[in-house]
Amino acid sequence: AQSVSQHNHHVILSEAASLELGCNYSYGGTVNLFWYVQYPGQHLQLLLKYFSGDPLVKGIKGFEAEFIKSKFSFNLRKPSVQWSDTAEYFCAVSLGVDSSYKLIFGSGTRLLVRP
Amino acid sequence: GAVVSQHPSRVICKSGTSVKIECRSLDFQATTMFWYRQFPKQSLMLMATSNEGSKATYEQGVEKDKFLINHASLTLSTLTVASAHPEDSSFYICSAPGQGNYNEQFFGPGTRLTVL
Repeated sequence: AQSVSQHNHHVILSEAASLELGCNYSYGGTVNLFWYVQYPGQHLQLLLKYFSGDPLVKGIKGFEAEFIKSKFSFNLRKPSVQWSDTAEYFCAVSLGVDSSYKLIFGSGTRLLVRP
Repeated sequence: GAVVSQHPSRVICKSGTSVKIECRSLDFQATTMFWYRQFPKQSLMLMATSNEGSKATYEQGVEKDKFLINHASLTLSTLTVASAHPEDSSFYICSAPGQGNYNEQFFGPGTRLTVL
């Protein structure tokens, strides 16, 4: 069965520190990759997505992610975090039409940014 | 942009009662919608795929007689938690793929169900 792994469950950073959250998936075929963010008390929002093309994708709020096919990874990065980035971050994978567009989510990473 | 709404946002009920949660696509049509459950401090787990005009497809381990799904129109899917018990307390979230691009889903704000 396909799965998504997020290795960091809790991350605590100071403002202006750099961020990298790991995401690995297990599927050998074509995938669509997503990072979602859930701010406290709010619903899921799409940060960025990768379908094809340039493996380095840029999203909202200064986030970016790099798809490395050989490593089955899609790590999320931000050069300098802000207190407002405190949230939970979910990596997700879709197999597209092969799986009726279902999303498989990782377990999430809680990020706390200290001012 | 594509907006998905859910109603109610929060519901508290007694054990044994049934609860209906609505998911609506406000500015687009959705022949498919997805229902997820999120327990505290855990990730979203897909429960079922709701298909307009046909039966829902349930994920392994999800009781279809417990979680009744009806997708009667192109903009509305409902999830009914039948005879709810405290262990059904959770955050229920729906999503719908965007028109023209089924690869991207739009999420509703979620419904927090508390069963006493």
